[in-house]
Amino acid sequence: DVKVTQSSRYLVKRTGEKVFLECVQDMDHENMFWYRQDPGLGLRLIYFSYDVKMKEKGDIPEGYSVSREKKERFSLILESASTNQTSMYLCASSLSGHVENTGELFFGEGSRLTVL
Amino acid sequence: AQSVTQLGSHVSVSEGALVLLRCNYSSSVPPYLFWYVQYPNQGLQLLLKYTSAATLVKGINGFEAEFKKSETSFHLTKPSAHMSDAAEYFCAVSPSGNTPLVFGKGTRLSVIA
Repeated sequence: DVKVTQSSRYLVKRTGEKVFLECVQDMDHENMFWYRQDPGLGLRLIYFSYDVKMKEKGDIPEGYSVSREKKERFSLILESASTNQTSMYLCASSLSGHVENTGELFFGEGSRLTVL
Repeated sequence: AQSVTQLGSHVSVSEGALVLLRCNYSSSVPPYLFWYVQYPNQGLQLLLKYTSAATLVKGINGFEAEFKKSETSFHLTKPSAHMSDAAEYFCAVSPSGNTPLVFGKGTRLSVIA
């Protein structure tokens, strides 16, 4: 069974802390994505990556960075967490190529981050 | 830029009733359209996708959607709601090729016994 695994389901951090959210997929997918989900705002794209060591900014990259050192792993980093980054974070992956493949995203179960 | 609008942040139906979740897209070129479902405390999963092969698309769990270019719509329907359909539903669009999906704000479906 294909899987996207996010390392932590629930995290509580303090303002100013550095936060790492890890995501691993076992499907040999080229594309990986980080979204944040907030009530009434849907999913908003933070960063994405189409290849190892490659990254692209999404719609809301401010305050975040990412790392993709290996194909299967895509990490989201909050350099200095703030209360407005309290949210649900969703990682997803997909194949590359035609949109029939790239549009089928496989999601992890999410990481709910609370920043106090 | 491509976008989708989901009409109604919350829809409530009785068990056995028709489910209709609305999605309209804005696009200057024929888009690729998707519906995803998110059950409580889970990530999203693909329900169905339109990639220009057929205008009526069937998905999992008895859902289907019809692409109507004249109305720029891709509404999701199910003839008879089941309690297990209670979830949040997201419409998404991709212009073409290897570009990230743009999601709507979601519609929460409640099913009343």
